[in-house]
Amino acid sequence: QQQVKQSPQSLIVQKGGISIINCAYENTAFDYFPWYQQFPGKGPALLIAIRPDVSEKKEGRFTISFNKSAKQFSLHIMDSQPGDSATYFCAASNDYKLSFGAGTTVTVRA
Amino acid sequence: NAGVTQTPKFRILKIGQSMTLQCTQDMNHNYMYWYRQDPGMGLKLIYYSVGAGITDKGEVPNGYNVSRSTTEDFPLRLELAAPSQTSVYFCASSYEAGGGETQYFGPGTRLLVL
Repeated sequence: QQQVKQSPQSLIVQKGGISIINCAYENTAFDYFPWYQQFPGKGPALLIAIRPDVSEKKEGRFTISFNKSAKQFSLHIMDSQPGDSATYFCAASNDYKLSFGAGTTVTVRA
Repeated sequence: NAGVTQTPKFRILKIGQSMTLQCTQDMNHNYMYWYRQDPGMGLKLIYYSVGAGITDKGEVPNGYNVSRSTTEDFPLRLELAAPSQTSVYFCASSYEAGGGETQYFGPGTRLLVL
C-alpha cells in the first residue's frame, strides 16, 4: 500500500498563482520529507526537503509546511511560472529508502 | 561529472526475453537504488545497495536481480520479461543513507514488453 498519500493528482494554475500539493503519511518513524520535481523525459531531482522538527521551510518561491501532529505536509509554489510545469513527488524516509507519493502534475497556464 | 548515467534509453522486449539495464555513477556514492515508475503510481523501489558486494530487496523485487561488483556500477537484470514489467526504470545514488541525503537520479530507461 502507498505509505505516502499525495493529492491532487493534477492541477492547473494561472501564471502568478499559487499551487498547493498535499501529502499525508502514517509511519511516525519517518524523519525526512523531500519533494522531487520531474520534467518530462527526465529523472526526478530534489527540490526542497524538511525534517519534522521544523514546521516550515522556504526556498525562493517554494515552501514546505509540515504538521507533525496531523502527519501531513504540503508544498506551496508561489507566483507560479510556466517553467514550474512538471510532476512533483513528495516522499518520506527513515533509513536508506524513500517512499514516494503518486505524484502531482502541475500545469501553469501563461 | 556526468552524474548518474543509464543505458539504454529505450528498449522493446518480447515476452520471455532477458536484458540488463546499465547504471553508472561517477560521484563515488556508496548507496545506489533502482526504481520503477508507472503512471499514477509514483516510484517504487526495486533493489538497493549500500556498497560494493551488498544488495537488498526493495518493495517490488520479483522478476529482477541486481549485482554490485564496483562502487560505480549497479546493473539491473530482468529475467523472463513479462508485460507487467513495462515501465520506466530509474537508477539513483546517494552518498549516505536516504534519511537526509539527496538521491541523484539518472535519466531513465523506458522499457516496453510485448
